[in-house]
Amino acid sequence: GAVVSQHPSRVICKSGTSVKIECRSLDFQATTMFWYRQFPKQSLMLMATSNEGSKATYEQGVEKDKFLINHASLTLSTLTVTSAHPEDSSFYICSARTSGFHEQYFGPGTRLTVT
Amino acid sequence: ILNVEQSPQSLHVQEGDSTNFTCSFPSSNFYALHWYRWETAKSPEALFVMTLNGDEKKKGRISATLNTKEGYSYLYIKGSQPEDSATYLCASRSMDSNYQLIWGAGTKLIIKP
Repeated sequence: GAVVSQHPSRVICKSGTSVKIECRSLDFQATTMFWYRQFPKQSLMLMATSNEGSKATYEQGVEKDKFLINHASLTLSTLTVTSAHPEDSSFYICSARTSGFHEQYFGPGTRLTVT
Repeated sequence: ILNVEQSPQSLHVQEGDSTNFTCSFPSSNFYALHWYRWETAKSPEALFVMTLNGDEKKKGRISATLNTKEGYSYLYIKGSQPEDSATYLCASRSMDSNYQLIWGAGTKLIIKP
């Protein structure tokens, strides 16, 4: 149980285009979903927290107009990287939490390369 | 600044040997310490959550200890097997972080057959 899927696993896009990444909880309802970014050899950095049906809470330094997060249902959250630039190239990973505060389940991540 | 440090960054261990690595975290207003195992191309998998000073958790050949007063946790693997090869992440949750997880950069463990 507690499986989180994330699509696509890899995406290459041209500078200036937008990319949407989907995160789904497959066998549970996720009251809260988290989006992280990881640069090589660095820690996972929280970008934003989203609760179903409400606006995402962004961490300091994360541009909300650039990284659009939608959490329309209890099983789906999307992250859209708008007008992507090469510096947005990174590994993006989502996680989902059920009602249990300690239980946080992760997707396998998305490798984004902007050319 | 809330930092979680893991050491070593990477580790090569002979199959059958035991090993351990460290996670250091801020001890102020501590709430919980999480360990995850992350295999390449897979999702990070939760290993342990520890909340109390002196906690010890065990799962098969893997165990972890927690010292909240001095702000460190050890992860031990007994009799390493090739399937233990992965990156091991720790993350700390505290009131100071608004209860968000603050992550270490991980220890990459490679088991040599």
